[in-house]
Amino acid sequence: KAGVTQTPRYLIKTRGQQVTLSCSPISGHRSVSWYQQTPGQGLQFLFEYFSETQRNKGNFPGRFSGRQFSNSRSEMNVSTLELGDSALYLCASSPLRRNTGELFFGEGSRLTVL
Amino acid sequence: QKEVEQDPGPLSVPEGAIVSLNCTYSNSAFQYFMWYRQYSRKGPELLMYTYSSGNKEDGRFTAQVDKSSKYISLFIRDSQPSDSATYLCAMSDMNRDDKIIFGKGTRLHILP
Repeated sequence: KAGVTQTPRYLIKTRGQQVTLSCSPISGHRSVSWYQQTPGQGLQFLFEYFSETQRNKGNFPGRFSGRQFSNSRSEMNVSTLELGDSALYLCASSPLRRNTGELFFGEGSRLTVL
Repeated sequence: QKEVEQDPGPLSVPEGAIVSLNCTYSNSAFQYFMWYRQYSRKGPELLMYTYSSGNKEDGRFTAQVDKSSKYISLFIRDSQPSDSATYLCAMSDMNRDDKIIFGKGTRLHILP
């Protein structure tokens, strides 16, 4: 069974640009969550989608947005990039409706903002 | 006070030693407790999963939850160099907004 796939794995952007990251969950998983990981703040929750609906949102500015498609694939977008947005962005999928913590993570998209 | 506190390390121990990793938390409503392992340049992988209090053992790994003290532990017996990774504790409360809160992780080095 294929794992969670994230693309692109690495990208470099400049301040003010926007970026779109993609996540394909494990087949059959309908819940997709996004996290930002930085050395200083650790793993911080961005948002979670289930069946194309955003179920939960973390404390990030409106520049961070996401969506989920009918095939459960998800994208997140960051507009007007800032230097502080440099991070590893992780996507996780879960087979469960309720978030009990059994998450399956992808390898992440490492974003560098110059 | 942060919801989940975890010593970042690094923690260096000789091969074969018993490793103890810990987290404290402030929200007494947390019910699900997890330990994730993250190798360098990889995503976290679920290692142990516990509901409510008590112990859970899986091979060389034992997870312990003490809800009265708001303290969770992960013990690794007969540690191996391949156990060198960052270990993140995580917890969630299904009765609230069931967000999963992660600790910042402890970097562990097992010295051959």
